[in-house]
Amino acid sequence: KAGVTQTPRYLIKTRGQQVTLSCSPISGHRSVSWYQQTPGQGLQFLFEYFSETQRNKGNFPGRFSGRQFSNSRSEMNVSTLELGDSALYLCASSLSASGNTGELFFGEGSRLTVL
Amino acid sequence: GENVEQHPSTLSVQEGDSAVIKCTYSDSASNYFPWYKQELGKRPQLIIDIRSNVGEKKDQRIAVTLNKTAKHFSLHITETQPEDSAVYFCAASSGTSGSRLTFGEGTQLTVNP
Repeated sequence: KAGVTQTPRYLIKTRGQQVTLSCSPISGHRSVSWYQQTPGQGLQFLFEYFSETQRNKGNFPGRFSGRQFSNSRSEMNVSTLELGDSALYLCASSLSASGNTGELFFGEGSRLTVL
Repeated sequence: GENVEQHPSTLSVQEGDSAVIKCTYSDSASNYFPWYKQELGKRPQLIIDIRSNVGEKKDQRIAVTLNKTAKHFSLHITETQPEDSAVYFCAASSGTSGSRLTFGEGTQLTVNP
């Protein structure tokens, strides 16, 4: 079974631009969540989608948004990029059908650098 | 909201020694506590988890203990090996919050041969 796939793996943007990251979950997983990882900050929860609906949202500004498609693939978008948005963005999928927390399967991440 | 603190931030041990990483959490509603291992340049992977209805769980050389009264949980690795070198993250969730985990800041474990 294929794992979680994230694209692109690396990208460089300049301040003020926007970026869209993509995530394909493990087949059969309907929950997709996004985390931001920066040195010294651990992993910070952005949001979670389940069956095309946002089920949970973290404490990030409105510049961070996401969506999920009917095939469970998900995208996240960051508008008006700031230097502080430079990070590794990790996508994770899980079975989590009833909302009960279970194992998260992470992708390799998309490393965003904002210049 | 939930807050998870993790100590130490770095830990260096000799091969064969034991390693202990400790975490505390703030939300008494939390009842699911996973540990993830992230090797350099790799994705985080679950190594063990525990729910609040048990106090200890073991899987070969790895064990996790939970003290709900004190709101802390710990990861114990025995007979450490160089391949155990990685960053370890603890996390907590209410158990019904879907995939929303609150992570600690991580512990860089180095096992010296």
